[in-house]
Amino acid sequence: EDQVTQSPEALRLQEGESSSLNCSYTVSGLRGLFWYRQDPGKGPEFLFTLYSAGEEKEKERLKATLTKKESFLHITAPKPEDSATYLCAVQEMRTSGSRLTFGEGTQLTVNP
Amino acid sequence: GAGVSQTPSNKVTEKGKYVELRCDPISGHTALYWYRQSLGQGPEFLIYFQGTGAADDSGLPNDRFFAVRPEGSVSTLKIQRTERGDSAVYLCASGFNTGELFFGEGSRLTVL
Repeated sequence: EDQVTQSPEALRLQEGESSSLNCSYTVSGLRGLFWYRQDPGKGPEFLFTLYSAGEEKEKERLKATLTKKESFLHITAPKPEDSATYLCAVQEMRTSGSRLTFGEGTQLTVNP
Repeated sequence: GAGVSQTPSNKVTEKGKYVELRCDPISGHTALYWYRQSLGQGPEFLIYFQGTGAADDSGLPNDRFFAVRPEGSVSTLKIQRTERGDSAVYLCASGFNTGELFFGEGSRLTVL
């Protein structure tokens, strides 16, 4: 059974203080790993897709990386508007369509 | 509208009652997904439609849950004989057969 574990559960940063969020996964065959951002009261918003170990994607202050066992979401010089819950999800080779298994998320708070 | 629309945004019902939740996906998206999210948890897969048919309903928790998408666009999630444990936010997402899903804001169901 797919397992996705995110750490830490919650993270408080000062504005400008860079850090990383971790997503560890266990799947029999990875089709893709996805990062989403979720604001309170909203649905998740897609950020990145990573397909193979060594791959990296960047968007503004965010960079996602992938190894065979885990993914990191690096946040460089964060701003208060980066505060949200960040969700990691995996798509397994054997599953149909885009069925995703999500982790429980990391709640990020960036203080001004 | 341009995004995924879900109605109602909030539903309070009594234990044992029947509930319908509606999802209007982004025009042109062939795939539609229902997920359920409890407080502090990541979204949990329920069912996936490709066109009009349910391609994967293995996430439905029991036979009280049923979903339809009769014309390949709007979908309705139906819950019979609601229980307190059904209380959650029900998220709908649409897309194509990639992991990039476009989520609605969800329907918050509270069963008293």
